[in-house]
Formats: sequence, structure tokens, C-alpha cells
Amino acid sequence: RKEVEQDPGPFNVPEGATVAFNCTYSNSASQSFFWYRQDCRKEPKLLMSVYSSGNEDGRFTAQLNRASQYISLLIRDSKLSDSATYLCVVIPPGNMLTFGGGTRLMVKP
Amino acid sequence: DVKVTQSSRYLVKRTGEKVFLECVQDMDHENMFWYRQDPGLGLRLIYFSYDVKMKEKGDIPEGYSVSREKKERFSLILESASTNQTSMYLCASSPDYGYTFGSGTRLTVV
Repeated sequence: RKEVEQDPGPFNVPEGATVAFNCTYSNSASQSFFWYRQDCRKEPKLLMSVYSSGNEDGRFTAQLNRASQYISLLIRDSKLSDSATYLCVVIPPGNMLTFGGGTRLMVKP
Repeated sequence: DVKVTQSSRYLVKRTGEKVFLECVQDMDHENMFWYRQDPGLGLRLIYFSYDVKMKEKGDIPEGYSVSREKKERFSLILESASTNQTSMYLCASSPDYGYTFGSGTRLTVV
């Protein structure tokens, strides 16, 4: 089983839609979680950290479910510019950042 | 803003060649990393370094080596390039967990 798993998609949604991605992780002792965004042929960039209580940044909401070992990213009112690949990142204890394979989002007009 | 610069955007090399990928960061970060990214496999850590002249193997170090003679520069070396090393290579720099990535080098080994 992979340490961090994501549905590769693509998720095709119309502008204005709400879309959510999940990411599951295998090490229950993992403490730190992040979402990165990667545009086509570009490098990954940090989108937001994921806090235990959940956190919001504008149209983006990140949540952590420790019991079921997954994190989620919710995007409200999708924009064309949200089209990208979203990478889930988990840090197991004493270990390095571990990346999921990414979920591709395509927002259509 | 932190800048991480990778020397080449695209490279084509022949099987058996020795290949050097250079990465330079301008924010005095201790931590530097080399990843490769392949479709369906995500980002995989090749090597990382916490300080000058220090290096640690990541998840897939076979066929690679690294050099960190100066704090700002972290080089990835393919000792004898093979076709299965065709990939996107990403360098990252970090003071802690907030990684900043370079723009990547797409290497093709023919």
C-alpha cells in the first residue's frame, strides 16, 4: 500500500461548482499535512497547511480526519484558474515529506 | 521570495553519459532536496542534504549521487545515464517544511 494515495482524476467540473478531493495516508502517527498545487509543466507550490481543527483560506477549505486517516481539500466557486494538479503531502514521524500522486482538476467554462 | 534555480529546463543525454543537474538557492536554507516526478508515481525523493558536505539517501538513490560543496548549491549526478532515468527532476529548498521548488529539469536519456 502506498504511504499517501490520491485519486488521480481528472475531476472535470463547471465554473462555479464546488469540488472536493480526498487523500488517504497509511502512517497513523503522521503529524503534518499540506496541500500543494502544481500547474502543467511547472513546479509544485505550497497551497495551504492542514490543521487538526480544519482551516480555510478564501474559497479553499482543508480538513483532517485522523480516525479515518485522510485529509480533504474543498474548493468552492471553482474558477478556470483553479485547473491544476493538487498534491497531498504528509510527513510521517522522523521522515521526509511524502507526496501523493496528485489529483488533476479541470474547470470548464 | 525564495528563489530556487535549476540550470537547465530541458536536457537530452545519451545512455552511459555522466549527467550533472545543478540547483542553486538564494535564501541560505540548510535543507535541499532532489526529487524525480513520473506520471502515476508522484514525486519520489532521491537525495537530500541538511548541511554543506552532508548528504542522505532518499527513497530511490540507486544510479544517482549528489554533491553539496557550498550551502547554496546542491548538484545531482547521474553516474551513467540510463533510459529509465528519463524523468522530470525537481530541486527543493527549505528552512523547515515549507518547500520551495525549482522549475524543474526535464531530462530525456536516449
